[in-house]
Amino acid sequence: DGGITQSPKYLFRKEGQNVTLSCEQNLNHDAMYWYRQDPGQGLRLIYYSQIVNDFQKGDIAEGYSVSREKKESFPLTVTSAQKNPTAFYLCASRRSPSQRSGANVLTFGAGSRLTVL
Amino acid sequence: QKEVEQNSGPLSVPEGAIASLNCTYSDRVSQSFFWYRQYSGKSPELIMSIYSNGDKEDGRFTAQLNKASQYVSLLIRDSQPSDSATYLCAVRGPNFGNEKLTFGTGTRLTIIP
Repeated sequence: DGGITQSPKYLFRKEGQNVTLSCEQNLNHDAMYWYRQDPGQGLRLIYYSQIVNDFQKGDIAEGYSVSREKKESFPLTVTSAQKNPTAFYLCASRRSPSQRSGANVLTFGAGSRLTVL
Repeated sequence: QKEVEQNSGPLSVPEGAIASLNCTYSDRVSQSFFWYRQYSGKSPELIMSIYSNGDKEDGRFTAQLNKASQYVSLLIRDSQPSDSATYLCAVRGPNFGNEKLTFGTGTRLTIIP
């Protein structure tokens, strides 16, 4: 079955550590996204990528980094510069407008919950 | 003003009744509108999408869009306990080359048996 796989599901980090959240999709989607969700604040866009080897900052990119070396993979690194990293992180993907119908539908992974100790 | 606004709730509706969820958006040139359902601790799943003025029905769900009033709503008929969740309104506009999907904070819906 096609889908988006995020790992780990739960992650604990000590202050000052970098951590990397994995996101893999086998939907053949061009575009991939990282969102952060905090209680009462909805989803906020961290980074997105429309094609391999290219990505753009979203609304809250500070303290985060990404890479897009393969179409299927879009890992997110939460660096020590992110002052309040405890949150629920959601990876998503969608077909680009150049692909077939369903271009506007965003599909989410199951999420990764990061807690800073 | 927030880009996408929803009443956070909680909204309590008796089982079998109609649940009405509302959303307003600030960017007049927004083009695509979505409703996602999110169960506690889970990721959002798409319920409805709507792109043109009027109503769109899918089973027990009806999405309504009024671009002149910058208003989109979701009606759930014959509400079931399994409909209890947080409902997120999302809007795609011209920012970020039309890639950005802006979410509201969500409305928590509780269906009372």
